[in-house]
Amino acid sequence: AQSVTQLDSQVPVFEEAPVELRCNYSSSVSVYLFWYVQYPNQGLQLLLKYLSGSTLVESINGFEAEFNKSQTSFHLRKPSVHISDTAEYFCAVSDPLTGGGNKLTFGTGTQLKVEL
Amino acid sequence: DGGITQSPKYLFRKEGQNVTLSCEQNLNHDAMYWYRQDPGQGLRLIYYSQIVNDFQKGDIAEGYSVSREKKESFPLTVTSAQKNPTAFYLCASSWAGQGFTEAFFGQGTRLTVV
Repeated sequence: AQSVTQLDSQVPVFEEAPVELRCNYSSSVSVYLFWYVQYPNQGLQLLLKYLSGSTLVESINGFEAEFNKSQTSFHLRKPSVHISDTAEYFCAVSDPLTGGGNKLTFGTGTQLKVEL
Repeated sequence: DGGITQSPKYLFRKEGQNVTLSCEQNLNHDAMYWYRQDPGQGLRLIYYSQIVNDFQKGDIAEGYSVSREKKESFPLTVTSAQKNPTAFYLCASSWAGQGFTEAFFGQGTRLTVV
């Protein structure tokens, strides 16, 4: 079974500073990778995804993530954060080759807190 | 607007009572899912369904039941057998099989059992 590790439960950072949220997954022949963001008492919103092709994927609000197959990682980065980026971020993986449908396996989440 | 609707947003129940959480989607998705979220534990899969009248247990199905009588609806019942039901419950849907690109989530139901 797939597993996802988010090593940092909380990441405090000052506004306009860069940030990296780490995500590692258990190896598989083929995976789909996702980052979701959750604001307090709300559902999850897709931030970006890797299905195939270019290993660097970008979101519309300045986040990017790079799929690294050799290191089984999919770290999320932003060069300059804003107060509005304060939220919890979840990394997730789906294995399209298993017989269990397309269900997602989530990491435990990283709380990003942006401070002035 | 297309999306997933969960109701109610907040739910309070007494210990020992069954309670049903509603999830409706108008995205014409084949697959639907229920996740449970607890602080520091991420999201854990309770049940999922890829087609009407069929569903499978996820990682933490004990104490829960579901039905999938219609494509757009996937209600979750939290039974009295669930030992620690207080949590945030999230419903999601997606295309199934080759069409999967992402899951779409509802706004969640926060269940508190007293």
